[in-house]
Amino acid sequence: DQQVKQNSPSLSVQEGRISILNCDYTNSMFDYFLWYKKYPAEGPTFLISISSIKDKNEDGRFTVFLNKSAKHLSLHIVPSQPGDSAVYFCAVIHVGSYIPTFGRGTSLIVHP
Amino acid sequence: DGGITQSPKYLFRKEGQNVTLSCEQNLNHDAMYWYRQDPGQGLRLIYYSQIVNDFQKGDIAEGYSVSREKKESFPLTVTSAQKNPTAFYLCASNNQGGGELFFGEGSRLTVL
Repeated sequence: DQQVKQNSPSLSVQEGRISILNCDYTNSMFDYFLWYKKYPAEGPTFLISISSIKDKNEDGRFTVFLNKSAKHLSLHIVPSQPGDSAVYFCAVIHVGSYIPTFGRGTSLIVHP
Repeated sequence: DGGITQSPKYLFRKEGQNVTLSCEQNLNHDAMYWYRQDPGQGLRLIYYSQIVNDFQKGDIAEGYSVSREKKESFPLTVTSAQKNPTAFYLCASNNQGGGELFFGEGSRLTVL
């Protein structure tokens, strides 16, 4: 039973537009949330995170929004660039733990 | 440069053979992890270790074994008991306090 769901396996966006990647989780005891980006045949790299005491965290073109009541977080990329084309994984960490549980990923393709 | 080194990057093995994947980190991290990535499956936790000489099973530990004799090293053995070993294997580390995981570049194992 998936605790972290990324329901869109893929997303296609035009360069310069906004990319919105979504993630839903089931357990309200998760208190730290991360996004990772992964290129083929490489390890994932950390992108941005947010703790449960916040509802928004911004880093350049990347913003993560957390809606605790809906158990939902999203990653916004504005403006999208072709180099953003990758698989994006949402990860959650339970209170008292430090071990992330990952979603299945969303493949983002940004067209020039 | 600090980081995580996985080797080999590509590995082929015949059915019935054991194979060991290497993971070394010089980040002075306490915790180390092994994940497996399959298409559409995201990252699934195989084993993790919080301190030297101690490790715990993750979600899909059957057919795998690990050791943690040194803080820097966390090798993974894929045994012949693993029914579907062809996959991309990722090693990661972080501090016990949690936060982002740092990943290696991955090892792709193909069983012929």
